[in-house]
Amino acid sequence: GAVVSQHPSWVICKSGTSVKIECRSLDFQATTMFWYRQFPKQSLMLMATSNEGSKATYEQGVEKDKFLINHASLTLSTLTVTSAHPEDSSFYICSVKRLAGGSPQETQYFGPGTRLLVL
Amino acid sequence: GQQVMQIPQYQHVQEGEDFTTYCNSSTTLSNIQWYKQRPGGHPVFLIQLVKSGEVKKQKRLTFQFGEAKKNSSLHITATQTTDVGTYFCSPSGAGSYQLTFGKGTKLSVIP
Repeated sequence: GAVVSQHPSWVICKSGTSVKIECRSLDFQATTMFWYRQFPKQSLMLMATSNEGSKATYEQGVEKDKFLINHASLTLSTLTVTSAHPEDSSFYICSVKRLAGGSPQETQYFGPGTRLLVL
Repeated sequence: GQQVMQIPQYQHVQEGEDFTTYCNSSTTLSNIQWYKQRPGGHPVFLIQLVKSGEVKKQKRLTFQFGEAKKNSSLHITATQTTDVGTYFCSPSGAGSYQLTFGKGTKLSVIP
């Protein structure tokens, strides 16, 4: 079954509005979640690492004041795209790491993603 | 994070033909993971390779990790239309926490 959920799956908004995306780990506690962005026909790019109870760690080139991350509980992280513009239109995906069955290594599970279209 | 070169970027095959995608790193990797993303979907974990020279199979899919742990490959035997999608490798270096992704190989299967 699904390990990670995301809401909403689609967002269409006007330029200048803020959009909040939720990422939930469904059956375990995740102290760390990851936020990725994927533009059409491109690979996933890590935006930030969300840490429960502390500030997120942003990748180089990602504006922390524009992409606000809140990891208020062990099962929920939110990404808010503030004052969204058309160039922010993308596929936003969160993920968590957890141990897979029978493996000593952590594997990464992705949420279903949120498609954002800013008009 | 670790940087890798993934080739080819695109591959079109007739149904029943084999397919291989390669992931190459200039540095030694701790492990490598492979993901599949169907059109319009999100990446789904396929497998993780950790040991030098490791070979793992999942039905028609064969995954290999090079002896030097600098390259990896995914081979699909007798492709089917259900294999359509983009295959990404995701390497981790020693001490690396976050995961980065190769550019992916988009597979199209012609029925």
